[in-house]
Amino acid sequence: EDQVTQSPEALRLQEGESSSLNCSYTVSGLRGLFWYRQDPGKGPEFLFTLYSAGEEKEKERLKATLTKKESFLHITAPKPEDSATYLCAVQAVETSGSRLTFGEGTQLTVNP
Amino acid sequence: DVKVTQSSRYLVKRTGEKVFLECVQDMDHENMFWYRQDPGLGLRLIYFSYDVKMKEKGDIPEGYSVSREKKERFSLILESASTNQTSMYLCASRPDWGETQYFGPGTRLLVL
Repeated sequence: EDQVTQSPEALRLQEGESSSLNCSYTVSGLRGLFWYRQDPGKGPEFLFTLYSAGEEKEKERLKATLTKKESFLHITAPKPEDSATYLCAVQAVETSGSRLTFGEGTQLTVNP
Repeated sequence: DVKVTQSSRYLVKRTGEKVFLECVQDMDHENMFWYRQDPGLGLRLIYFSYDVKMKEKGDIPEGYSVSREKKERFSLILESASTNQTSMYLCASRPDWGETQYFGPGTRLLVL
């Protein structure tokens, strides 16, 4: 059974204080790992897809990296507008309908 | 830009009512998904569809049915709403040629 565990559950940062969010996964064969951002009361917004160990992707203050067991979402010099819940999901190679297995998310708060 | 829309942002229904949640995507995606999101449980897949009139059960299909008569529209039906179906419902779509799912804004359903 595919599993995704995100840590920490919640993280408070001061504006400008860089940090990382962790996503540990267990999957029979990884087809893709996905990061989403979700604001309160809204649907998840796509950020990144990573396909193989060693891959990195960047967008503004965010950088996602992937190893064979986990992914990190690095946030450099965060701003209050980066406050959101960040969701990680995996898709296994052998999966019906390309279904995703989600973690429970990390709730990030960035204080000014 | 991918656009996935859901018919209602908020919905209040009574126990036993039949409830229809509508999702429309404008990117000609073949695959569409319905999830529910609950605190502590994350996103869970209810049903998905990989083509018009085709559907497959997800992880928690009990108490739900779906309809896909047109490629752009995927409906979730609660045959007889119950209080334990109070939740945030999220629709997503994905093209056959890609791995990423794109989400709608969500419908927050309250069953009294």
